Amino acid sequence: AQRVTQPEKLLSVFKGAPVELKCNYSYSGSPELFWYVQYSRQRLQLLLRHISRESIKGFTADLNKGETSFHLKKPFAQEEDSAMYYCALSDNFNKFYFGSGTKLNVKP
Amino acid sequence: GAVVSQHPSWVICKSGTSVKIECRSLDFQATTMFWYRQFPKQSLMLMATSNEGSKATYEQGVEKDKFLINHASLTLSTLTVTSAHPEDSSFYICSATGQGKKTQYFGPGTRLLVL
Repeated sequence: AQRVTQPEKLLSVFKGAPVELKCNYSYSGSPELFWYVQYSRQRLQLLLRHISRESIKGFTADLNKGETSFHLKKPFAQEEDSAMYYCALSDNFNKFYFGSGTKLNVKP
Repeated sequence: GAVVSQHPSWVICKSGTSVKIECRSLDFQATTMFWYRQFPKQSLMLMATSNEGSKATYEQGVEKDKFLINHASLTLSTLTVTSAHPEDSSFYICSATGQGKKTQYFGPGTRLLVL
């Protein structure tokens, strides 16, 4: 079975503080991992994918195969980062499995 | 680029009627489209995967006769909720990928309320 776990439903931090949104996965093959973000009243949009190894809006995520994790990090959170964040796994058949999501609330 | 639209954005219908939701890729050819369902404060649940010109593949527990999916062209997939009941009320989201691509582009969703 493929599963994506986001243990935190809600994460509140102050502006300027570091933030880490946790994501763990279980998959027997070689998955691709993604982070999607949903801002208030907007559609889901891709934030980043592990194979790109890029930084988007200051966010980074490293795939740790040993720990089967793909945590999303940002050193200094901004108020505009407040949103729902979903970790997703794509299996070898191009099927996507989403975590339950973490709501990030960045306080002023 | 890579815009996906859905129509309608919301719909209210009476129990027992059928509702059709359209999903269109506006600026790319979507070889694969996905349909998800999202309950309040919950994650997206994959309902089915459809490839252009072939039958949709449904996830376990999703009734194919209840949720009819048609992917007749590379830019359009439709989801028809047949004989809708109040428990079908939900937020339905489609997404699409292009040829050989993994990144999914999401539509804005359709909120269905069955009275």
